[in-house]
Amino acid sequence: KNEVEQSPQNLTAQEGEFITINCSYSVGISALHWLQQHPGGGIVSLFMLSSGKKKHGRLIATINIQEKHSSLHITASHPRDSAVYICAVTNTGNQFYFGTGTSLTVIP
Amino acid sequence: KAGVTQTPRYLIKTRGQQVTLSCSPISGHRSVSWYQQTPGQGLQFLFEYFSETQRNKGNFPGRFSGRQFSNSRSEMNVSTLELGDSALYLCASSFTANTEAFFGQGTRLTVV
Repeated sequence: KNEVEQSPQNLTAQEGEFITINCSYSVGISALHWLQQHPGGGIVSLFMLSSGKKKHGRLIATINIQEKHSSLHITASHPRDSAVYICAVTNTGNQFYFGTGTSLTVIP
Repeated sequence: KAGVTQTPRYLIKTRGQQVTLSCSPISGHRSVSWYQQTPGQGLQFLFEYFSETQRNKGNFPGRFSGRQFSNSRSEMNVSTLELGDSALYLCASSFTANTEAFFGQGTRLTVV
Protein backbone atom coordinates (compact mmCIF):
# COMPACT_ATOMS: atom_id res chain seq x y z
CA LYS A 1 0.00 0.00 0.00
CA ASN A 2 1.34 3.41 -0.97
CA GLU A 3 1.96 5.78 1.92
CA VAL A 4 0.58 8.65 -0.19
CA GLU A 5 -2.58 8.32 -2.26
CA GLN A 6 -3.71 10.92 -4.77
CA SER A 7 -6.96 11.32 -6.62
CA PRO A 8 -7.94 11.60 -9.33
CA GLN A 9 -5.17 10.06 -11.42
CA ASN A 10 -6.29 11.95 -14.50
CA LEU A 11 -8.34 15.10 -14.78
CA THR A 12 -9.61 17.02 -17.79
CA ALA A 13 -11.17 20.43 -17.27
CA GLN A 14 -12.47 23.29 -19.37
CA GLU A 15 -10.62 26.56 -19.12
CA GLY A 16 -11.98 28.61 -16.23
CA GLU A 17 -13.13 25.66 -14.13
CA PHE A 18 -12.29 25.24 -10.45
CA ILE A 19 -10.09 22.19 -9.93
CA THR A 20 -9.42 20.11 -6.82
CA ILE A 21 -6.78 17.42 -6.41
CA ASN A 22 -6.78 15.36 -3.25
CA CYS A 23 -4.00 13.71 -1.28
CA SER A 24 -4.22 11.32 1.66
CA TYR A 25 -1.27 9.96 3.59
CA SER A 26 -0.80 7.28 6.17
CA VAL A 27 2.50 8.19 7.84
CA GLY A 28 3.31 10.79 10.44
CA ILE A 29 4.66 13.82 8.63
CA SER A 30 6.71 16.88 9.29
CA ALA A 31 5.70 18.55 6.01
CA LEU A 32 3.59 18.02 2.90
CA HIS A 33 4.66 19.24 -0.52
CA TRP A 34 2.76 19.90 -3.71
CA LEU A 35 4.93 19.66 -6.81
CA GLN A 36 4.22 20.48 -10.46
CA GLN A 37 5.89 18.64 -13.30
CA HIS A 38 5.60 19.74 -16.92
CA PRO A 39 6.38 17.52 -19.92
CA GLY A 40 10.15 17.32 -20.24
CA GLY A 41 10.61 16.54 -16.59
CA GLY A 42 11.26 19.79 -14.72
CA ILE A 43 9.67 19.84 -11.26
CA VAL A 44 8.62 22.98 -9.43
CA SER A 45 7.74 23.07 -5.77
CA LEU A 46 4.37 24.81 -5.44
CA PHE A 47 3.77 24.56 -1.72
CA MET A 48 5.29 23.19 1.43
CA LEU A 49 2.93 23.15 4.38
CA SER A 50 2.55 21.54 7.75
CA SER A 51 -0.75 23.10 8.82
CA GLY A 52 -3.59 25.28 7.63
CA LYS A 53 -3.71 26.84 4.21
CA LYS A 54 -1.43 28.61 1.74
CA LYS A 55 -2.23 30.62 -1.37
CA HIS A 56 -0.10 31.62 -4.34
CA GLY A 57 -2.02 33.42 -7.04
CA ARG A 58 -4.71 31.06 -8.34
CA LEU A 59 -3.39 28.09 -6.37
CA ILE A 60 -4.52 27.19 -2.87
CA ALA A 61 -3.28 24.30 -0.73
CA THR A 62 -4.89 23.11 2.45
CA ILE A 63 -3.97 20.43 4.93
CA ASN A 64 -5.92 18.72 7.70
CA ILE A 65 -3.42 17.04 10.00
CA GLN A 66 -6.04 15.16 12.01
CA GLU A 67 -7.59 13.63 8.88
CA LYS A 68 -4.19 13.20 7.14
CA HIS A 69 -5.53 14.87 4.06
CA SER A 70 -4.51 17.72 1.79
CA SER A 71 -6.11 19.38 -1.20
CA LEU A 72 -4.70 21.48 -4.01
CA HIS A 73 -7.17 23.86 -5.61
CA ILE A 74 -6.75 25.76 -8.86
CA THR A 75 -9.16 28.59 -9.45
CA ALA A 76 -9.96 29.87 -12.96
CA SER A 77 -7.92 27.10 -14.59
CA HIS A 78 -5.90 27.87 -17.70
CA PRO A 79 -4.33 25.64 -20.36
CA ARG A 80 -0.87 26.53 -18.99
CA ASP A 81 -1.89 24.75 -15.76
CA SER A 82 -1.77 21.47 -17.70
CA ALA A 83 0.86 19.38 -15.94
CA VAL A 84 1.29 16.51 -13.51
CA TYR A 85 0.72 17.48 -9.90
CA ILE A 86 2.47 15.38 -7.29
CA CYS A 87 1.84 15.23 -3.58
CA ALA A 88 4.79 14.30 -1.39
CA VAL A 89 5.32 14.05 2.35
CA THR A 90 8.37 14.00 4.55
CA ASN A 91 8.21 12.15 7.84
CA THR A 92 9.99 13.11 11.02
CA GLY A 93 13.02 11.14 9.81
CA ASN A 94 13.19 13.26 6.61
CA GLN A 95 12.18 10.27 4.50
CA PHE A 96 10.24 11.29 1.38
CA TYR A 97 7.11 9.53 0.13
CA PHE A 98 5.46 10.46 -3.16
CA GLY A 99 2.00 10.08 -4.60
CA THR A 100 1.66 8.75 -8.12
CA GLY A 101 0.61 12.12 -9.47
CA THR A 102 -2.47 13.64 -11.06
CA SER A 103 -2.27 14.42 -14.75
CA LEU A 104 -4.26 17.59 -15.43
CA THR A 105 -5.29 18.74 -18.89
CA VAL A 106 -7.05 22.06 -19.24
CA ILE A 107 -8.84 22.51 -22.55
CA PRO A 108 -9.24 26.00 -24.02
CA LYS B 1 20.48 33.42 -8.49
CA ALA B 2 21.38 30.25 -10.37
CA GLY B 3 19.09 27.26 -9.95
CA VAL B 4 19.94 23.64 -9.36
CA THR B 5 22.14 22.33 -12.14
CA GLN B 6 22.32 18.69 -13.11
CA THR B 7 24.80 17.27 -15.56
CA PRO B 8 24.66 15.66 -17.97
CA ARG B 9 21.07 16.13 -19.16
CA TYR B 10 21.03 12.94 -21.21
CA LEU B 11 23.11 9.80 -21.01
CA ILE B 12 23.12 6.46 -22.78
CA LYS B 13 25.00 3.58 -21.17
CA THR B 14 25.35 -0.13 -21.73
CA ARG B 15 24.32 -2.80 -19.25
CA GLY B 16 27.10 -3.55 -16.80
CA GLN B 17 28.69 -0.13 -17.04
CA GLN B 18 28.70 2.41 -14.27
CA VAL B 19 27.57 6.03 -14.35
CA THR B 20 28.12 9.16 -12.29
CA LEU B 21 25.62 11.99 -12.24
CA SER B 22 26.30 15.45 -10.83
CA CYS B 23 24.14 17.97 -9.02
CA SER B 24 25.15 21.52 -8.14
CA PRO B 25 22.74 23.00 -5.60
CA ILE B 26 21.65 26.58 -5.21
CA SER B 27 24.33 28.61 -3.50
CA GLY B 28 23.93 28.39 0.27
CA HIS B 29 21.85 25.23 0.20
CA ARG B 30 23.36 22.40 2.22
CA SER B 31 20.78 19.67 1.70
CA VAL B 32 20.75 17.70 -1.55
CA SER B 33 18.31 14.88 -2.26
CA TRP B 34 18.22 12.46 -5.17
CA TYR B 35 15.18 10.84 -6.76
CA GLN B 36 14.49 8.28 -9.46
CA GLN B 37 11.44 8.65 -11.67
CA THR B 38 10.17 5.85 -13.91
CA PRO B 39 6.81 5.44 -15.65
CA GLY B 40 6.07 2.32 -13.64
CA GLN B 41 7.22 3.32 -10.16
CA GLY B 42 6.80 7.08 -10.25
CA LEU B 43 9.07 9.22 -8.10
CA GLN B 44 11.15 7.37 -5.53
CA PHE B 45 13.53 8.76 -2.97
CA LEU B 46 17.14 7.63 -3.31
CA PHE B 47 19.07 9.49 -0.61
CA GLU B 48 19.63 12.81 1.07
CA TYR B 49 22.89 14.48 1.98
CA PHE B 50 23.51 17.34 4.36
CA SER B 51 26.93 18.81 5.04
CA GLU B 52 28.67 15.86 3.38
CA THR B 53 26.75 13.26 5.43
CA GLN B 54 24.13 10.88 4.13
CA ARG B 55 21.17 11.33 6.46
CA ASN B 56 18.54 9.23 4.76
CA LYS B 57 18.45 6.48 2.20
CA GLY B 58 15.57 5.03 0.26
CA ASN B 59 14.98 1.40 -0.57
CA PHE B 60 17.48 0.92 -3.37
CA PRO B 61 20.24 -1.67 -3.79
CA GLY B 62 23.81 -0.93 -2.88
CA ARG B 63 24.64 -0.32 -6.55
CA PHE B 64 23.24 3.13 -5.97
CA SER B 65 25.55 5.36 -3.98
CA GLY B 66 26.26 9.00 -3.58
CA ARG B 67 28.40 11.57 -1.93
CA GLN B 68 28.45 15.25 -1.18
CA PHE B 69 31.44 17.54 -1.30
CA SER B 70 32.38 20.41 0.99
CA ASN B 71 30.91 22.90 -1.50
CA SER B 72 27.58 20.99 -1.26
CA ARG B 73 27.83 19.66 -4.80
CA SER B 74 26.67 16.08 -4.92
CA GLU B 75 27.25 13.09 -7.14
CA MET B 76 25.39 9.84 -7.42
CA ASN B 77 26.87 6.70 -8.85
CA VAL B 78 25.17 3.62 -10.20
CA SER B 79 27.37 0.60 -10.76
CA THR B 80 26.68 -2.49 -12.85
CA LEU B 81 23.85 -0.84 -14.73
CA GLU B 82 20.69 -2.78 -15.46
CA LEU B 83 18.02 -2.07 -18.06
CA GLY B 84 15.62 -1.21 -15.23
CA ASP B 85 17.87 1.65 -14.14
CA SER B 86 16.69 3.62 -17.17
CA ALA B 87 14.95 6.60 -15.61
CA LEU B 88 14.91 10.32 -15.03
CA TYR B 89 17.18 11.10 -12.08
CA LEU B 90 16.32 14.31 -10.28
CA CYS B 91 18.09 16.13 -7.54
CA ALA B 92 16.72 18.84 -5.31
CA SER B 93 18.43 21.25 -2.97
CA SER B 94 17.17 23.08 0.06
CA PHE B 95 18.68 25.26 2.74
CA THR B 96 18.09 22.57 5.28
CA ALA B 97 15.69 19.66 5.76
CA ASN B 98 12.00 20.50 5.55
CA THR B 99 12.53 23.84 3.87
CA GLU B 100 11.39 24.51 0.33
CA ALA B 101 13.10 22.26 -2.18
CA PHE B 102 14.26 23.39 -5.62
CA PHE B 103 14.60 20.75 -8.31
CA GLY B 104 17.02 20.43 -11.16
CA GLN B 105 15.94 19.56 -14.71
CA GLY B 106 17.09 15.99 -14.24
CA THR B 107 19.38 13.57 -16.03
CA ARG B 108 17.66 11.14 -18.34
CA LEU B 109 19.59 7.88 -18.25
CA THR B 110 18.97 5.20 -20.83
CA VAL B 111 20.55 1.79 -20.35
CA VAL B 112 20.77 -0.36 -23.47
